[in-house]
Order: sequence, then structure tokens, then C-alpha cells
Amino acid sequence: DTAVSQTPKYLVTQMGNDKSIKCEQNLGHDTMYWYKQDSKKFLKIMFSYNNKELIINETVPNRFSPKSPDKAHLNLHINSLELGDSAVYFCASSQVLGANYGYTFGSGTRLTVV
Amino acid sequence: AQSVAQPEDQVNVAEGNPLTVKCTYSVSGNPYLFWYVQYPNRGLQFLLKYITGDNLVKGSYGFEAEFNKSQTSFHLKKPSALVSDSALYFCAVRDGSYQLTFGKGTKLSVIP
Repeated sequence: DTAVSQTPKYLVTQMGNDKSIKCEQNLGHDTMYWYKQDSKKFLKIMFSYNNKELIINETVPNRFSPKSPDKAHLNLHINSLELGDSAVYFCASSQVLGANYGYTFGSGTRLTVV
Repeated sequence: AQSVAQPEDQVNVAEGNPLTVKCTYSVSGNPYLFWYVQYPNRGLQFLLKYITGDNLVKGSYGFEAEFNKSQTSFHLKKPSALVSDSALYFCAVRDGSYQLTFGKGTKLSVIP
């Protein structure tokens, strides 16, 4: 079983569309994250979320919104897609409470906006 | 605010030679330090971490890293490089919060 799974793996869409990327983790972790990796491979945190708080990176446009139906899922919804949104988006999870471990990452979603 | 610097965009090393990928960090409080590896078109894989204790940390695939508090460094090392080690390596730091901050990555190329 894949620990952190993202769908779709590839997403090509036109400017102005709205799209969602789904993420599920089966590790029982209490916190989930979304990262954006740009064309230069730089990784930037977008959101972190557990059942107590949502932390939003202030540089993330409000067209991006995380939605968490339950502890095992954190989906990323993007409105009015722009060319600059093209990137690879990684979901990750970690167990924060009582542990000092790093993250487990999904395999990424390559978003191309045309 | 916490930050990580990886001063080298690319490191080239001959197969069989020792390799070092450099990382320095800045954080208030005690640092939690990590190394991840990313193979082409793949997600990030955890290599090793330093939380507390012995300054020399051993991880996956024969990699190790040395925590140096006075130099605020956490360099990744391997005694003998393999061609299959060629990948993108990320150093990351976490302070008392739970968000990881990543360096910009270092591309390692191991030449046969």
C-alpha cells in the first residue's frame, strides 16, 4: 500500500480553469502538507494542516485552498489557474505530536497550465 | 525564521570516491535536521535525520551526516559513491514548530 498517494499524477489544463488535486495518507499521521516545487526544483511550503490548525504560507495566492474532509485526506483546490501555477505539487504527512520525524512524501502531481 | 543553505548547485564525483554535500542552517532553538533525496520524476525520500544525541548520524543507502553545532552545519557524506546515487539532495530543518524548511537542493552526479 502506498503511504501517501496523490491523484492525478499528471494534470494538463487551460488557464482560467478550476482544478483539484487529491491526497490521502494511510500512516495514521496527524498533520498533512502541500509543497510546490518550481522549475528550478525549489520546494516551498504552501499549507500545513492538522485537526487543530491550518497554517497558510502568506505568499500563497488565495486562489489556492486546502480542503480536509478527514484526518487522512488533504486536497488542494485551485481556482482560476494561471500559467505560473505550472509546477509539481507534493503532498506530505508527518506525525507531529510526540514524535520528531520527518515527512513522508507523495510522488507528486505535475500540473501544466496552457 | 529558520533557513537552510546548500551552497553548491551541483557536485560531481567519480564513482568509488567519497562524496560530500554541504548544508548549513539557521534556526532559533534546537534544530531538527533532515536529508532527503529525489530521483528524477519521483517524490522525496527520507535519508536520515538528526534530532539529538550522537553527532554522526547514519542513514539509508550508506549515507551519513555529521551535525556540527558550532559551524551550524549538517553535511551529507558517503565513503564510496555509486552511479545510482546520482540524484537531487535536499537538506531540511525544523525548529520547535512542525514545518520543514528545505534548502534549494544540490544535484549530485556520480561519474562512472
